[in-house]
Amino acid sequence: DAKTTQPNSMESNEEEPVHLPCNHSTISGTDYIHWYRQLPSQGPEYVIHGLTSNVNNRMASLAIAEDRKSSTLILHRATLRDAAVYYCTHSSGTYKYIFGTGTRLKVLA
Amino acid sequence: DGGITQSPKYLFRKEGQNVTLSCEQNLNHDAMYWYRQDPGQGLRLIYYSQIVNDFQKGDIAEGYSVSREKKESFPLTVTSAQKNPTAFYLCASTAPTGFYQPQHFGDGTRLSIL
Repeated sequence: DAKTTQPNSMESNEEEPVHLPCNHSTISGTDYIHWYRQLPSQGPEYVIHGLTSNVNNRMASLAIAEDRKSSTLILHRATLRDAAVYYCTHSSGTYKYIFGTGTRLKVLA
Repeated sequence: DGGITQSPKYLFRKEGQNVTLSCEQNLNHDAMYWYRQDPGQGLRLIYYSQIVNDFQKGDIAEGYSVSREKKESFPLTVTSAQKNPTAFYLCASTAPTGFYQPQHFGDGTRLSIL
């Protein structure tokens, strides 16, 4: 079965960088990696995506391992507003996406 | 503004009753999805549709049904055969140019048993 695994929770101090890991054990060569974040009682919000090389946008950076079996979402300076559940996912060869169980990020003031 | 609208926000189901959750998008997206989310769990795929009048089962389709008669609409019916329907249901869509595109999500419908 296709599988994506993430740690259940992580903590960070405000203004410090955060590295959120994800393992994509069943990813194939053409599957894109996406990250989303979700606040309570809301739908997930897109954060970033990539295929092979590292990606940056205004929200975060995405580092993808050379074998693509793992990725890391990097928040350069965590704020209290970044507290959320972060999900990694990859497409499964078609329009089907495989979501991890999510990492709950707690940001300490 | 373009987006996905799910309604109602909260829904209650009686035993033996079918209920329908609405999902409408004005993003001109071809692909649409339904996910189920249980407390502390990730998203599990119920059904998805790549194009009008076509849809495929996801990982947990039993007890659910969908239709895709219009591009903008992808309603989900939770039937009485779904014995544990209490969950948060999320609808999503993707642009037509391929599965590298990110998904856009609605704000969900929370379904509970009366």
